[in-house]
Amino acid sequence: QKEVEQNSGPLSVPEGAIASLNCTYSDRGSQSFFWYRQYSGKSPELIMSIYSNGDKEDGRFTAQLNKASQYVSLLIRDSQPSDSATYLCAVNRRQTGANNLFFGTGTRLTVIP
Amino acid sequence: GAVVSQHPSWVICKSGTSVKIECRSLDFQATTMFWYRQFPKQSLMLMATSNEGSKATYEQGVEKDKFLINHASLTLSTLTVTSAHPEDSSFYICSARPARLTSGEQFFGPGTRLTVL
Repeated sequence: QKEVEQNSGPLSVPEGAIASLNCTYSDRGSQSFFWYRQYSGKSPELIMSIYSNGDKEDGRFTAQLNKASQYVSLLIRDSQPSDSATYLCAVNRRQTGANNLFFGTGTRLTVIP
Repeated sequence: GAVVSQHPSWVICKSGTSVKIECRSLDFQATTMFWYRQFPKQSLMLMATSNEGSKATYEQGVEKDKFLINHASLTLSTLTVTSAHPEDSSFYICSARPARLTSGEQFFGPGTRLTVL
């Protein structure tokens, strides 16, 4: 079982719609959760972080965390063509150590004008 | 804040030569930096974790003698690809974790695109 799993997509939504990106993780003790956006040919950019159960909103982005279900999601409202990118879910495990951030393989989102 | 730079942004070299890539945290101190490699249309692959003042920790399958990592200060880590070959052509990305943060997030540099002829 992978540490972090995402549907690779591609996910296509029309402009103005809500895009829903999902991620599950295997370590129940994970504490911090992040969403990164990666445009083609560019490096990942941190767009959201969430640490406790529930929703966290930042502009058009809402991160949702459900630790009981080991599930984290990212909603993008009023999707724009500029949101077309690969979205990486990352999870910080409980243990300390040199690398405790695990990345999913990413979901490719295309917003159709 | 949390800006990470990489230099060079791209490099083309001949097979057999060595290439050094620098990763700098510009506005924070990073006790830990990470080096990733990404082939086209594939996901990030962690190569090694670089800790200031100590030896790097390499992931399984990554040759430490080929990919030399030095983390001499709290703001600088370097990756040297020695005796580069065409199969080493890839997008190399570093990230840094601010020492002041305990939540684990990493901030990425813009990446270095390496092409070995």
